[in-house]
Amino acid sequence: GAGVSQSPSNKVTEKGKDVELRCDPISGHTALYWYRQSLGQGLEFLIYFQGNSAPDKSGLPSDRFSAERTGGSVSTLTIQRTQQEDSAVYLCASSHQTGPADTQYFGPGTRLTVL
Amino acid sequence: KNQVEQSPQSLIILEGKNCTLQCNYTVSPFSNLRWYKQDTGRGPVSLTIMTFSENTKSNGRYTATLDADTKQSSLHITASQLSDSASYICVVSGNSGTYKYIFGTGTRLKVLA
Repeated sequence: GAGVSQSPSNKVTEKGKDVELRCDPISGHTALYWYRQSLGQGLEFLIYFQGNSAPDKSGLPSDRFSAERTGGSVSTLTIQRTQQEDSAVYLCASSHQTGPADTQYFGPGTRLTVL
Repeated sequence: KNQVEQSPQSLIILEGKNCTLQCNYTVSPFSNLRWYKQDTGRGPVSLTIMTFSENTKSNGRYTATLDADTKQSSLHITASQLSDSASYICVVSGNSGTYKYIFGTGTRLKVLA
């Protein structure tokens, strides 16, 4: 079956431009997560969606970052006025539900490079 | 501060050998601990999930152990294969929101022929 997909796989942009990253979770998964993975760092939690509940945005590093999830499925992470420190791999994951034994399924990530 | 520390940072072993990766955490309260395998250019893939009441969990040649008292976990890889070359990430979740996972920086394993 189809796993989590992300697009684009690579994105190179100039400082100050806006970018949109897309995540298609596994069908039927109610929970969706965005993470950022910088070189040599652990995954950093950005935002969490669960069903129709209000998302937990507590991990977003600044107000330049926003995310939405339409129809409980596809999610878009938007970074406005990109900065060089935004360069990282952005990973999306989904899970059937949230619980101690629930498995997260990750997408391949989008590698963002800000010049 | 909730932290997850892994050691060693990197490891090189010969094919067929065993190895053990370590994870120490300070997350409290504790809900569950996961080990992931991340191949280069790919997203992490779950290997094992353990709650506080479990002290060992196996997945093929991978065996994870957990000591919730000392806040330590290990991942043992038996009879390593070239395809085991990857980063192995320890992830801990606390009770304050089981979806807020804290990720270690990983151990980069290289298996040589």
